Amino acid sequence: DTGVSQNPRHKITKRGQNVTFRCDPISEHNRLYWYRQTLGQGPEFLTYFQNEAQLEKSRLLSDRFSAERPKGSFSTLEIQRTEQGDSAMYLCASSLAGGDYGYTFGSGTRLTVV
Amino acid sequence: EDKVVQSPLSLVVHEGDTVTLNCSYEVTNFRSLLWYKQEKKAPTFLFMLTSSGIEKKSGRLSSILDKKELFSILNITATQTGDSAVYLCAFITDSNYQLIWGAGTKLIIKP
Repeated sequence: DTGVSQNPRHKITKRGQNVTFRCDPISEHNRLYWYRQTLGQGPEFLTYFQNEAQLEKSRLLSDRFSAERPKGSFSTLEIQRTEQGDSAMYLCASSLAGGDYGYTFGSGTRLTVV
Repeated sequence: EDKVVQSPLSLVVHEGDTVTLNCSYEVTNFRSLLWYKQEKKAPTFLFMLTSSGIEKKSGRLSSILDKKELFSILNITATQTGDSAVYLCAFITDSNYQLIWGAGTKLIIKP
């Protein structure tokens, strides 16, 4: 297992287009998290899953954002009708239930909306 | 509302210096504090601290938590240029296990 994998690494899209990112967590981790990070800020929580169940979604997440983890393994994060304010690094992390062993982050997907 | 404040926001030192980074917090249902190092990509895990007063060490890095005074420090001794990064502290709470992050300290080590 090579850790948490995110694809693509970079995405440039025109405003109004839809984009989808993928995250493959560490295989034995049952929790998966999505965060968004802008320059000079710490990561901002978006949503998390335990297995296939989406247990929490940030109030900051507009209805243009949707995330899935259909089989409790990989997850996708879709942004519809992208806006320039969506430009950020989107980070995925995974952990064992309880998070007591820390979280492992993927390398992120950098989204630029032009 | 949970709050995490890191200081200083940025720090420039010379190679070989020792630095101390601070993380103070007001977090309900505290469970654990984590320190991460972030260079150009995703944060990489450094330490997890749960108990007060127990120092964690890894090479030139060490960290300690004070649950009474609600802060943690991260020390880096004999700094090297490769230590240049943003250092983030984050919290796990008992309520939902999402991470609550500070804004980070940007550390620059000059040769």
